[in-house]
Amino acid sequence: SYVLTQPPSVSVAPGKTARITCGGNNIGSKSVHWYQQKPGQAPVLVIYYDSDRPSGIPERFSGSNSGNTATLTISRVEAGDEADYYCQVWDSSSDPVFGGGTKLTVL
Amino acid sequence: QVTLRESGPALVKPTQTLTLTCTFSGFSLSTSGMCVSWIRQPPGKALEWLARIDWDDDKYYSTSLKTRLTISKDTSKNQVVLTMTNMDPVDTATYYCARIIDSSGYDAFDIWGQGTMVTVSS
Repeated sequence: SYVLTQPPSVSVAPGKTARITCGGNNIGSKSVHWYQQKPGQAPVLVIYYDSDRPSGIPERFSGSNSGNTATLTISRVEAGDEADYYCQVWDSSSDPVFGGGTKLTVL
Repeated sequence: QVTLRESGPALVKPTQTLTLTCTFSGFSLSTSGMCVSWIRQPPGKALEWLARIDWDDDKYYSTSLKTRLTISKDTSKNQVVLTMTNMDPVDTATYYCARIIDSSGYDAFDIWGQGTMVTVSS
């Protein structure tokens, strides 16, 4: 089955840019979705189809996907962005796969 | 406004069968393209997809758990039910239901329920 690899943790100072990667074999050929999960809460979709933002998600959140790596970029990081972030793709049209998650710490 | 809410027992004993209900509003599972999935998350661990049911009653299951899972829907009640047999302590997790609007076959889970924590212990 398809494997998505995320760094366990990323740290960033407030106001700086955070980049969270999601690695997978030729992931650039797949559509990647990103979810934010704050402690004790359900996941929230923040990026879909590699780089689209759902309504209500700040423009500070952006995504890209090429080759073997997809990236979630959070610009001008705020304390409220501290959360776990998960990437997700479809291994086939019926099997979604999640990455192991990345804990974003705002210093 | 689209909402989903999970319900079920907080505690089950090993070997028992777990039955969870996802009650939703703001959309209909009889509408073309609408799908509901179940996803779980053990404490401190990553998300794991379990099952999915589509508007046309197509059903899909996690390869590793398919022998233990059954998903069904009651369109009139706006509910999706998941049963998992032979529960084990490793099945202790928060169980979420989430919606997909199927347009490409590779869509995101756009709305999630709040989740329900299930502990498996004797």
